[in-house]
Amino acid sequence: AQSVTQLDSQVPVFEEAPVELRCNYSSSVSVYLFWYVQYPNQGLQLLLKYLSGSTLVKGINGFEAEFNKSQTSFHLRKPSVHISDTAEYFCAVTTNAGNMLTFGGGTRLMVKP
Amino acid sequence: GAGVSQSPSNKVTEKGKDVELRCDPISGHTALYWYRQSLGQGLEFLIYFQGNSAPDKSGLPSDRFSAERTGGSVSTLTIQRTQQEDSAVYLCASSFWGSPGELFFGEGSRLTVL
Repeated sequence: AQSVTQLDSQVPVFEEAPVELRCNYSSSVSVYLFWYVQYPNQGLQLLLKYLSGSTLVKGINGFEAEFNKSQTSFHLRKPSVHISDTAEYFCAVTTNAGNMLTFGGGTRLMVKP
Repeated sequence: GAGVSQSPSNKVTEKGKDVELRCDPISGHTALYWYRQSLGQGLEFLIYFQGNSAPDKSGLPSDRFSAERTGGSVSTLTIQRTQQEDSAVYLCASSFWGSPGELFFGEGSRLTVL
């Protein structure tokens, strides 16, 4: 079975500052990794994904994440955040096409003016 | 509509009553998932349907919870004899076969058990 740990439950940051949201996973087999975002009072939507190939993946709204197999990490980064990035971010992992997705506990990003 | 539709959006019930939550997935999506999101918690997997295969029920927390998917489309999650700890947002998602992890979520059904 796989598991996901998001090390920070909340991350406060000032507007236009860089941010990194940390995610570590555990699995005995190869994984597919994802970040989802949940804006206030909305459903979750896919931000970016790693399936194979380049370990640096880019997503919507200027976010990117890097897959590090040796450190079993998939941290999410953005060089300059906006107020509108305030949301809950979830890291997730699955191991096979069609299997269920295992989510981390979420990180609440709070962008302050 | 184009997205995953869930109903009701809000449900308040009394302890001990049964509730049904409905999910209408995106047309053509073969996989359907139910998750539960409790206050301050992450997303807890409940059940997964894939085409005509037997569902993966490994996440259902007790035998009071059940789900069905009729005709490979609409799904209903039923909670019998509701308890206060069942209060949560119940999220439904669907996906294409062959698109691992790319789930499309509905906005959820918020259940409050008094």
